[in-house]
Amino acid sequence: QVQLQESGPGLVKPSQTLSLTCSVSGGSISSGGYYWSWIRQLPGKGLEWIGYIYYSGSTNYNPSLKSRVSMSVDTSMNQFSLKLNYVTAADTAVYFCARGGGYDVIDYWGQGTLVTVSS
Amino acid sequence: EVVVTQSPGTLSLSPGETATLSCRVSQSVSSSYLAWYQQKPGQAPRLLIYGASSRAAGIPDRFSGSGSGTDFTLTISRLEPEDFAVYYCQQCGHSPPTFGQGTKVEIK
Repeated sequence: QVQLQESGPGLVKPSQTLSLTCSVSGGSISSGGYYWSWIRQLPGKGLEWIGYIYYSGSTNYNPSLKSRVSMSVDTSMNQFSLKLNYVTAADTAVYFCARGGGYDVIDYWGQGTLVTVSS
Repeated sequence: EVVVTQSPGTLSLSPGETATLSCRVSQSVSSSYLAWYQQKPGQAPRLLIYGASSRAAGIPDRFSGSGSGTDFTLTISRLEPEDFAVYYCQQCGHSPPTFGQGTKVEIK
């Protein structure tokens, strides 16, 4: 059973960088075959796919966030990470890491972590 | 990007009744790339249906999906108390993958 767990600061100041890490257990990122995604849920609203990374390091980002997003993967730690630059209050959301993305459905999700952007 | 529109926004039903949720996408998508998720308060979404009509592992057969092209449906027969939640439709046939705004199934 694959499990994912997000970690990172719950509070980020405006204009700074949001950084989150997802730790994966029960499956190896380096075994390939899956994309690893970040998805966010704005307060009281729907879901927005941020982007995915493959074990090789290749990425695909949502064009709406592409200029501010970067993702990386650490296969030795079985983790992948998200950085979102120049955040504003509009980036306040619950951030989920997940397995899947691109043309694949999301079949495993982390529990989500609330990130608030505020001074 | 492809817009996913779900209706109704809220469905008020009693346990034992049947829920019919609609999902419309702005561009035709292969059925292979249409999924439904269930989300309960404070939890992550859970995959229910993939490929428009295939149930994910462990999903009861009272959940069924259908449709093609631009119109898809999730049907929940014989609603159980644990089925009252928000349901999201997602298309992943066009990049970026997009989700609908959700349909809340609430107890009447």
